[in-house]
Amino acid sequence: AQSVAQPEDQVNVAEGNPLTVKCTYSVSGNPYLFWYVQYPNRGLQFLLKYITGDNLVKGSYGFEAEFNKSQTSFHLKKPSALVSDSALYFCAVRDRDRGSTLGRLYFGRGTQLTVWP
Amino acid sequence: NAGVTQTPKFQVLKTGQSMTLQCAQDMNHEYMSWYRQDPGMGLRLIHYSVGAGITDQGEVPNGYNVSRSTTEDFPLRLLSAAPSQTSVYFCASSRSGLRGPYEQYFGPGTRLTVT
Repeated sequence: AQSVAQPEDQVNVAEGNPLTVKCTYSVSGNPYLFWYVQYPNRGLQFLLKYITGDNLVKGSYGFEAEFNKSQTSFHLKKPSALVSDSALYFCAVRDRDRGSTLGRLYFGRGTQLTVWP
Repeated sequence: NAGVTQTPKFQVLKTGQSMTLQCAQDMNHEYMSWYRQDPGMGLRLIHYSVGAGITDQGEVPNGYNVSRSTTEDFPLRLLSAAPSQTSVYFCASSRSGLRGPYEQYFGPGTRLTVT
């Protein structure tokens, strides 16, 4: 069964420090992987996605994510955190191969990122 | 381009009442879906549609109905509201193609409380 795990409910980091939000997945075939961000009382916004090729994907607002096939991980990173990055982050996976669940997006439970000044 | 719009933003229902949450998109997206978001649960798929006239169930479809008569609109109907349906509901859309790597665009959400 397809699943996404975000092992940390909360990540706290000081402004200017690097941040990492972790994500691991379980998909029977080859996945598309996504990161979304949700600010308070707002819908989810797309940050970046992995399709194929280069394992380091760059996205919006200076975020990037590293795809690691052997570890089935897709961790979100940023070299220097900003207070405005504080939000809820969701990892999601979409199976590109499996017939019965094609097109569905499976979400992790979310990680609350807090960046303090 | 308004993107994905949802109405209402807030709604309070009494147990047993019915209502329809509206969702519309102006991006000519064929794929549309409804999620509910509950604390600590992430987003769970209720129903989805791959085009006008085609709908299917997601993870948590019980108590909800959908229809897709046009490409633009994808309303979600609560047949007989229950307190367990208290949640925030999001509509999303994406380009066509079940095999495509297309990201979804989300509406602002509807916060529903059932008393």
